[in-house]
Amino acid sequence: QQQVKQSPQSLIVQKGGIPIINCAYENTAFDYFPWYQQFPGKGPALLIAIRPDVSEKKEGRFTISFNKSAKQFSLHIMDSQPGDSATYFCAATGSYQLTFGKGTKLSVIP
Amino acid sequence: DGGITQSPKYLFRKEGQNVTLSCEQNLNHDAMYWYRQDPGQGLRLIYYSQIVNDFQKGDIAEGYSVSREKKESFPLTVTSAQKNPTAFYLCASSRRVSKEAYGYTFGSGTRLTVV
Repeated sequence: QQQVKQSPQSLIVQKGGIPIINCAYENTAFDYFPWYQQFPGKGPALLIAIRPDVSEKKEGRFTISFNKSAKQFSLHIMDSQPGDSATYFCAATGSYQLTFGKGTKLSVIP
Repeated sequence: DGGITQSPKYLFRKEGQNVTLSCEQNLNHDAMYWYRQDPGQGLRLIYYSQIVNDFQKGDIAEGYSVSREKKESFPLTVTSAQKNPTAFYLCASSRRVSKEAYGYTFGSGTRLTVV
């Protein structure tokens, strides 16, 4: 079964810190890597996504770093805020069906 | 506003009962999906449909059934054969034009509890 391994399972940072969430994959056919943000009681929402032909993508305070040779990618949140407290899922696909990581629960404390 | 509507938000099921969760989208998306979410388990695919009148089993289809009679609608039935149905259920949809345009849109979920 195709897998995406995500770590850590939970993360606590202080306001202004830079939480980093890591994901690793095995299937070299994967060519699209989105991140989703989910608040309690809500559905996930697309946050940012990257293709493997670039090593980094920034959107506002959110940055994806991609290492194709290592088959790893990560999400960095700059100047984190309490409002960023949520569960973050990485995902990957080589077709039109996403495979999700198990999620990281981020808590940003004031 | 375009989006995905899941109903009800909360649902209680007695042992041995079948229940149906509704999912409607007005995004004109071709593909629709049902996921189950349990704490620490991430999102697990139950069923998906890429076109009307066609659907495929996902990783955990046992005890569930779906239909896709209309492009806008993809209801999920949790049958009595599903032994542990208490979970948060998420419906999603997507276009199939390209991966960038593709991006899943999720509904707000239905929390099902067995009583």
